[in-house]
Amino acid sequence: GAGVSQSPSNKVTEKGKDVELRCDPISGHTALYWYRQSLGQGLEFLIYFQGNSAPDKSGLPSDRFSAERTGESVSTLTIQRTQQEDSAVYLCASSLLQAYGYTFGSGTRLTVV
Amino acid sequence: GENVEQHPSTLSVQEGDSAVIKCTYSDSASNYFPWYKQELGKGPQLIIDIRSNVGEKKDQRIAVTLNKTAKHFSLHITETQPEDSAVYFCAASKRGGADGLTFGKGTHLIIQP
Repeated sequence: GAGVSQSPSNKVTEKGKDVELRCDPISGHTALYWYRQSLGQGLEFLIYFQGNSAPDKSGLPSDRFSAERTGESVSTLTIQRTQQEDSAVYLCASSLLQAYGYTFGSGTRLTVV
Repeated sequence: GENVEQHPSTLSVQEGDSAVIKCTYSDSASNYFPWYKQELGKGPQLIIDIRSNVGEKKDQRIAVTLNKTAKHFSLHITETQPEDSAVYFCAASKRGGADGLTFGKGTHLIIQP
């Protein structure tokens, strides 16, 4: 596609439930990133995929967070046993290998009630 | 790790005037400094970036300056227009952002008609 696509755009879930967020990167982009944006805050790095290399999980806030990527395409971010502090906008971005400048999707707004 | 400070958090300017947003970074090894514009309900969009081997870069009404010695960089917008109203984020990274960006907390730019 022409841009990075994320789904759903909005998700409301009950505390303790699991959620799965999806990201479709730009075709041909080998690098994929997940960031979290909390209200009034900057963007917090979560995880990074580069080709078939092992992902850089250094930004994941807890073991309730995990992410997978199928080859160089779709990625899913899973949050288990959601907590209210997980409420945020989750942004996905992709870029060419070693390229300068990401393209972000519009994000998934997650609300945990 | 890298720490990026951004000021001001809110900036209000008259249409047609100039706007300046400033950022400082802590890691002298950082070599890539992008600026993103985020409009309501959308993901951040790259508007300009600069690498550590140059001191200034311009693109029409937008310019970025970098002072490596002082570890600070600035975004300059001239002849501001209503469509410039948005939240602007600076970021810093090593390896051209290939392994994650560290973002500032953002500046809400308001263009007064």
